[in-house]
Amino acid sequence: DAGVTQSPTHLIKTRGQQVTLRCSPKSGHDTVSWYQQALGQGPQFIFQYYEEEERQRGNFPDRFSGHQFPNYSSELNVNALLLGDSALYLCASSSRDRGFQPQHFGDGTRLSIL
Amino acid sequence: AQSVTQLDSHVSVSEGTPVLLRCNYSSSYSPSLFWYVQHPNKGLQLLLKYTSAATLVKGINGFEAEFKKSETSFHLTKPSAHMSDAAEYFCVVREAAGNKLTFGGGTRVLVKP
Repeated sequence: DAGVTQSPTHLIKTRGQQVTLRCSPKSGHDTVSWYQQALGQGPQFIFQYYEEEERQRGNFPDRFSGHQFPNYSSELNVNALLLGDSALYLCASSSRDRGFQPQHFGDGTRLSIL
Repeated sequence: AQSVTQLDSHVSVSEGTPVLLRCNYSSSYSPSLFWYVQHPNKGLQLLLKYTSAATLVKGINGFEAEFKKSETSFHLTKPSAHMSDAAEYFCVVREAAGNKLTFGGGTRVLVKP
């Protein structure tokens, strides 16, 4: 039973560029949430998707956008990258039928902005 | 608004001795609370969850936590630390009106031989 998988594992970009991160949920899950974890801090909620729509959003600018596909996988897009976007980006999946809890996390994508 | 405060940023214990990680929460509703562990360069693994059933919650790897509403606390304990317990631990509260998780700042545990 595959867990949550994220790709790529590491990524290096420069300021102003755009990036796309990908997430495949755990088998049987239909909901994906994205979190940003800056170095030395706890993760912060970016947004959640189910039924291919953004359902809830944290305090992040519009440069952060997402998408969910019919197979429940998801992408996180960040435009106009800033140095402060350097972080570990975590994807979590859950099942709407089970009240969205618990959330299962992938190992993350570490994004470095030069 | 909900929030979580982990009272210790670092905890150092000797192998075989008890571990106590302290967490206080603030929530307008009856909260769902979780403890997650993060090993270096890894994602988050769920240790245990409280969802208004028994106030003493048992989790994986010998960890347990006690929910105390009067103290708004959800402290994590383990009777005997193992070297493999060295990691960062996060106390988490789930927003009642949605599914957003709010994380504490984390407690890094060091286990000395």
